[in-house]
Amino acid sequence: KQEVTQIPAALSVPEGENLVLNCSFTDSAIYNLQWFRQDPGKGLTSLLLIQSSQREQTSGRLNASLDKSSGRSTLYIAASQPGDSATYLCAVTNAGGTSYGKLTFGQGTILTVHP
Amino acid sequence: DAGVTQSPTHLIKTRGQHVTLRCSPISGHKSVSWYQQVLGQGPQFIFQYYEKEERGRGNFPDRFSARQFPNYSSELNVNALLLGDSALYLCASSQTVGTANTGELFFGEGSRLTVL
Repeated sequence: KQEVTQIPAALSVPEGENLVLNCSFTDSAIYNLQWFRQDPGKGLTSLLLIQSSQREQTSGRLNASLDKSSGRSTLYIAASQPGDSATYLCAVTNAGGTSYGKLTFGQGTILTVHP
Repeated sequence: DAGVTQSPTHLIKTRGQHVTLRCSPISGHKSVSWYQQVLGQGPQFIFQYYEKEERGRGNFPDRFSARQFPNYSSELNVNALLLGDSALYLCASSQTVGTANTGELFFGEGSRLTVL
């Protein structure tokens, strides 16, 4: 059974700081890994998708890496801003079959960026 | 283009009642998945539907059921509501099922269910 863990559970940083969010998963047979952002009471916004054959993806100030063999992914946020404050969720899709609509999520990291 | 739309956005029910939640996927997307997110936790997979057929089911009781319509919209039904069913119910759509798909899921804003 796939399990996803995110560390830290919460993080508070001053504006402008670079930061790293961590995600680990127990079964390395994944199809892809997605990072999402969730604002309080809202739905999920997809940030980055990394296919199992890829090592990293970048979008603006965000960079996500994937080490499938060790079951780890990191989300790097450069020059953090107060608007980055949200919960960040990591989720994996297991490989095989027709499981592409089934994500296994971590508990999330609550990020607060203070001015 | 419209994203994934869900209705209602908020609703309050009492224990033992029944609820129906609705989801319209992104135009062109044929796969719809449902997730339950309890406060403070990550979403949990409930169902996936593709071409009106159930393709996956999570560890939820039979009180939970769903269906997909010919226009690819979907309904999630929950019978005999319990206090523990209070949660944000999220719908996600993706383009297709199969190796040609990147597997990227796009989520709606969710339906907030409160059971009293």
